[in-house]
Amino acid sequence: NAGVTQTPKFRVLKTGQSMTLLCAQDMNHEYMYWYRQDPGMGLRLIHYSVGEGTTAKGEVPDGYNVSRLKKQNFLLGLESAAPSQTSVYFCASSSPHFTDTQYFGPGTRLTVL
Amino acid sequence: AQSVTQLDSQVPVFEEAPVELRCNYSSSVSVYLFWYVQYPNQGLQLLLKYLSGSTLVKGINGFEAEFNKSQTSFHLRKPSVHISDTAEYFCAVSGPSGYSTLTFGKGTMLLVSP
Repeated sequence: NAGVTQTPKFRVLKTGQSMTLLCAQDMNHEYMYWYRQDPGMGLRLIHYSVGEGTTAKGEVPDGYNVSRLKKQNFLLGLESAAPSQTSVYFCASSSPHFTDTQYFGPGTRLTVL
Repeated sequence: AQSVTQLDSQVPVFEEAPVELRCNYSSSVSVYLFWYVQYPNQGLQLLLKYLSGSTLVKGINGFEAEFNKSQTSFHLRKPSVHISDTAEYFCAVSGPSGYSTLTFGKGTMLLVSP
């Protein structure tokens, strides 16, 4: 089992460009999450999904959109990247309860110039 | 809304010494508490969690934590650390009754030196 994988691992964007981060899990988990990690800020939840076709906003959703068309995939989109979105992005998945263990991907390091 | 405070951003310690990483939460309702660890250049993995029952929770790699409701704390301890324990440790809370997403603290970097 690969667990949770994220594509790409690194990306550099210019301000105003768009991109999509892909998260895939092979554990048949219902719940999936996108976090961003910034120095001294811990992890902050961007969006999450409790099932295929459903998404919800987290703590810091502005500037991001998500889609969960297939159970195993959770996509995070940046329509018009800003330098404030420079961060490390982590995807996680879990069984269908918020107290279940979350399994994290290796992260995507995004730099917006 | 819940919040988590990790009192130390960095904890330096010598190998084989004991360590305690502090975590306090603020919530007036029942909560569930977690410790996750992030090794360099990796994602997070669960160390341990408290959902109910015994207030002393044992986790992986010899770590344990004690839930103290009166002090709203969930401190992480290890009696003897190893170089390989060097990592960032995150306390997190979910509540009430587990029907909400996790809120993470800002993290404590544990630096173990020989």
